[in-house]
Amino acid sequence: DAGVIQSPRHEVTEMGQEVTLRCKPISGHNSLFWYRQTMMRGLELLIYFNNNVPIDDSGMPEDRFSAKMPNASFSTLKIQPSEPRDSAVYFCASSSTGFYGYTFGSGTRLTVV
Amino acid sequence: SQQGEEDPQALSIQEGENATMNCSYKTSINNLQWYRQNSGRGLVHLILIRSNEREKHSGRLRVTLDTSKKSSSLLITASRAADTASYFCATGRYSSASKIIFGSGTRLSIRP
Repeated sequence: DAGVIQSPRHEVTEMGQEVTLRCKPISGHNSLFWYRQTMMRGLELLIYFNNNVPIDDSGMPEDRFSAKMPNASFSTLKIQPSEPRDSAVYFCASSSTGFYGYTFGSGTRLTVV
Repeated sequence: SQQGEEDPQALSIQEGENATMNCSYKTSINNLQWYRQNSGRGLVHLILIRSNEREKHSGRLRVTLDTSKKSSSLLITASRAADTASYFCATGRYSSASKIIFGSGTRLSIRP
């Protein structure tokens, strides 16, 4: 298995633009998580899905953020409009029933200028 | 909100020495995990210990859990340069569908 795949690896965009981050979880994993990491706030859980259904989105900072999981093999995190304070590394992770820990992707480094 | 808090925030030791990192948490848990993050990379799951376990080993890693004190420790024996990374504890309360909350991490540096 190639692991959790995130794209793009790096994204630089101008303030006000729409940004879409993508994630392909490990096949067979039924839970998917989006985290954001910054120096100031550390690792923050934004939202997680179980069997493609959003379970807890209390970590989504504002209405500018939205996430979808249309099927078991794909999820997106969208920011519209983006702001400089959204600059961070965004990680996607997946896990399976029985829970032996999360598998993280390599992350997307987002810079909003 | 952060559930787990690691201590110390930074640790620098000589190669070959043992490294010990601690994690304290606030509420009851189902399990506690430790992750490693190399600079610029994603987190890698190291070990999971369940609330009914007191100690677990994996290679050079030893994890202890004291639920009465709401604390855990991660011991890395015979450290190597490749162990240089940030280490995070994370706590989970329920099933695999539950969210886990990460602490702020310990930055470990191994001096050659």
